Amino acid sequence: AQSVTQPDIHITVSEGASLELRCNYSYGATPYLFWYVQSPGQGLQLLLKYFSGDTLVQGIKGFEAEFKRSQSSFNLRKPSVHWSDAAEYFCAVGKSVLTGGGNKLTFGTGTQLKVEL
Amino acid sequence: DAMVIQNPRYQVTQFGKPVTLSCSQTLNHNVMYWYQQKSSQAPKLLFHYYDKDFNNEADTPDNFQSRRPNTSFCFLDIRSPGLGDAAMYLCATSRDGKALETQYFGPGTRLLVL
Repeated sequence: AQSVTQPDIHITVSEGASLELRCNYSYGATPYLFWYVQSPGQGLQLLLKYFSGDTLVQGIKGFEAEFKRSQSSFNLRKPSVHWSDAAEYFCAVGKSVLTGGGNKLTFGTGTQLKVEL
Repeated sequence: DAMVIQNPRYQVTQFGKPVTLSCSQTLNHNVMYWYQQKSSQAPKLLFHYYDKDFNNEADTPDNFQSRRPNTSFCFLDIRSPGLGDAAMYLCATSRDGKALETQYFGPGTRLLVL
C-alpha cells in the first residue's frame, strides 16, 4: 500500500530565508508525486507534480521539488520565503484506480509553515 | 473563474439531523471526489464518481452517501451526523482517472455538529 510521511509537523522560518519541506513515500512502482498547499479555511492548491523525466520539478509561486528515487523522497524547496507562504503543505502520492476509474491520492499529514517577519 | 464551487462554506447541523453538502464544477471533468479532513489531519478520500459510476472507499461509513445527478454537480449526504463527523469536507475533480492527473479542489465546507 502506498504511504507518505512528512516528518515535520511544524516549521518556522524567517521571511527571506530558504525553505525545505521533507516528504518520503512508499510505493511499489514509479510514483506520481504531488505537493499541495492549503491556506487557512481554503481548499488545496497544486504547487507542482512529478511523474517522469527531469527529477527537479518547477512549480508555481517559486517552489521546486526534487525527486530522489534512492531516498524515496520528494522534498519541496523555495530559495526565499515570503510571509504569504505561511500555510499548510501536503505531499501526496497518486495512483490510478483500475476499478471504477478515478485516481487515488494518499496524502501525508502535512507540514504547517509559519513565517516570521 | 471559479472552477470547483462548494456550498455552503459553513454548515451547522444538529446531532442526527440529515445534512447535504453540494459541489459544482465548471471544468467538465469526468471524475468528482469527496474528502473528509479533520482538524490537523490529512484529507481522507470518502468516495468518488467516475462519470456516473460510484466508487466507495472500503472504510467509508454507511452514514455517508453521495449523488451525482449530472456532470456538473455532486452531493454529499450525511444521513445521521454524529459529533465525530464535524470536519472540513473537500470536493475535488479530475479530468480522468490517470495517476498523473491533477485534482482540483474546492474551498471546502466546514461542518459543525451540535
